[in-house]
Amino acid sequence: DTGVSQDPRHKITKRGQNVTFRCDPISEHNRLYWYRQTLGQGPEFLTYFQNEAQLEKSRLLSDRFSAERPKGSFSTLEIQRTEQGDSAMYLCASSILEWGVRAQYFGPGTRLTVL
Amino acid sequence: GIQVEQSPPDLILQEGANSTLRCNFSDSVNNLQWFHQNPWGQLINLFYIPSGTKQNGRLSATTVATERYSLLYISSSQTTDSGVYFCAGGSQGNLIFGKGTKLSVKP
Repeated sequence: DTGVSQDPRHKITKRGQNVTFRCDPISEHNRLYWYRQTLGQGPEFLTYFQNEAQLEKSRLLSDRFSAERPKGSFSTLEIQRTEQGDSAMYLCASSILEWGVRAQYFGPGTRLTVL
Repeated sequence: GIQVEQSPPDLILQEGANSTLRCNFSDSVNNLQWFHQNPWGQLINLFYIPSGTKQNGRLSATTVATERYSLLYISSSQTTDSGVYFCAGGSQGNLIFGKGTKLSVKP
């Protein structure tokens, strides 16, 4: 059973460029989550999907951010017109409800640096 | 929204020592997890523990849901236990994380 995978692991971009990250959840996991983590802080929730439906979005998810999960499997997170404040680790997690337990499992993250 | 407070923020131990990390929640949660973040940023699941007590090797955790707190116990600490420990909880789909406890175990 492979874990959550994310691609790329690192991304360096110039301010104003668009970037897209991909997350592949654990097979059969119907929920997929995106979080953002800045230095010295805990992860902050951005959004989550149940299958292909986006069920919740944080107010941190500005209009420049968009996430999709078109077939209920992998997900993409796009940031348009990047700003230096977008520099962070972007974490993806997935979960499935089993025996009353819905634990989230995290991927290795994509570290974004905006110059 | 729910607030999560972790203490202590930093902890330095000598190898072999025991420690207790605490997590307080401002409101009830029905999902509570403890994670260890390694130096490469990977969050590793330690416990899913919305209530009760669990043990896994040298680690154990206790959550008292009625008093809205959870404790993580590390016994006979090793240098490989170093890193940041996060608790996170929620009552809906997402997890709210604390700021973490940075643990350094010295040889």
